[in-house]
Amino acid sequence: NAGVTQTPKFQVLKTGQSMTLQCAQDMNHEYMSWYRQDPGMGLRLIHYSVGAGITDQGEVPNGYNVSRSTTEDFPLRLLSAAPSQTSVYFCASNRQGGYAEAFFGQGTRLTVV
Amino acid sequence: SQQGEEDPQALSIQEGENATMNCSYKTSINNLQWYRQNSGRGLVHLILIRSNEREKHSGRLRVTLDTSKKSSSLLITASRAADTASYFCATVGNSGYSTLTFGKGTMLLVSP
Repeated sequence: NAGVTQTPKFQVLKTGQSMTLQCAQDMNHEYMSWYRQDPGMGLRLIHYSVGAGITDQGEVPNGYNVSRSTTEDFPLRLLSAAPSQTSVYFCASNRQGGYAEAFFGQGTRLTVV
Repeated sequence: SQQGEEDPQALSIQEGENATMNCSYKTSINNLQWYRQNSGRGLVHLILIRSNEREKHSGRLRVTLDTSKKSSSLLITASRAADTASYFCATVGNSGYSTLTFGKGTMLLVSP
């Protein structure tokens, strides 16, 4: 099983550019989430989804947009990249939200210059 | 805002020794989970302990939970160099769809 797949693994953007981070899972999980990880900050929740067509904001949603048209895919869009969005981004999925273990992708390291 | 806080921030031990990491949290929880992250990789789930459980084991891992003190500990026995990683606790609240709230992690270095 592939589990949770994120693309790309690395990306450099210029300030003001937009891009989409892709996330796909093949475990038929209803719940998917996006986190960012910054040095000394742990993981912070950006957006999450409890099923196709349903999304909600996490702790740090500003500057990011999500949609969930299928169970498998949960893309994260950066609308106008800023240096403060330089981070490592992780996508995760699980069966029952926080009531079951989460499966993480390998991460996307994003640098905004 | 982060709920769990791990202690210590960094831990350096020799192979064969035991490693203990602690996690404290502030509000009531449904469960607490521990994850491992190797350098440059995603997080991997280790153990989930529910609020009505006090202790769980998985191989060389032992997790305890004290809800009265709002704290948990992760013990890795007979550490190996391959255990070198960052370890995170994540808490889950009791209401609705509850998301994982992560602490800042403990960086463990196990030297041969």
